[in-house]
Amino acid sequence: SQTIHQWPATLVQPVGSPLSLECTVEGTSNPNLYWYRQAAGRGLQLLFYSVGIGQISSEVPQNLSASRPQDRQFILSSKKLLLSDSGFYLCAWFSRQLTGNTIYFGEGSWLTVV
Amino acid sequence: GQNIDQPTEMTATEGAIVQINCTYQTSGFNGLFWYQQHAGEAPTFLSYNVLDGLEEKGRFSSFLSRSKGYSYLLLKELQMKDSASYLCAVRDYLDNTDKLIFGTGTRLQVFP
Repeated sequence: SQTIHQWPATLVQPVGSPLSLECTVEGTSNPNLYWYRQAAGRGLQLLFYSVGIGQISSEVPQNLSASRPQDRQFILSSKKLLLSDSGFYLCAWFSRQLTGNTIYFGEGSWLTVV
Repeated sequence: GQNIDQPTEMTATEGAIVQINCTYQTSGFNGLFWYQQHAGEAPTFLSYNVLDGLEEKGRFSSFLSRSKGYSYLLLKELQMKDSASYLCAVRDYLDNTDKLIFGTGTRLQVFP
């Protein structure tokens, strides 16, 4: 069966420090992968999506970046965090053929920038 | 571009019926999702509509009108545990890519 995991679950980082959130999918190949951010009490903002290795589309210009070094691995990074980067980050996977028109989410990562 | 609108907050009474509306504008519409999200948790899947009409799943139903760019989620026999945020999301298919865009969510509070 297919699963999606992301980590770390929570982290507290000082302003100006780097960030790395990792997401992996198991049990499938060539998935569409997505990173979302959710500020407190708000909806999901699409940050990046990827249809394959090395293929990244950015939705919002900001100090974050994404990479897909392997087929089932999606990484969200920042060189220098801002206070406004705080939020709940969600990795998601979608495949019409494999997931039956369902978007699957990782467990989420709570980031607090102090 | 894409635009998805839904009410920010709604309240209802236990046992009642509530309808949460969602309107959207996209270039390559190819389906609409409804998700439920409890505070601090990842969203969970409720429904997916790609054709016009009503899809019923137990106490939850979802309706789609593609010509009007409109959907609603209908919750019947409300329970306290239905207090959550409800997210409308559109599958925008362009250049062989599925872009999944979420609305801001509707926070539903159910009172006894």
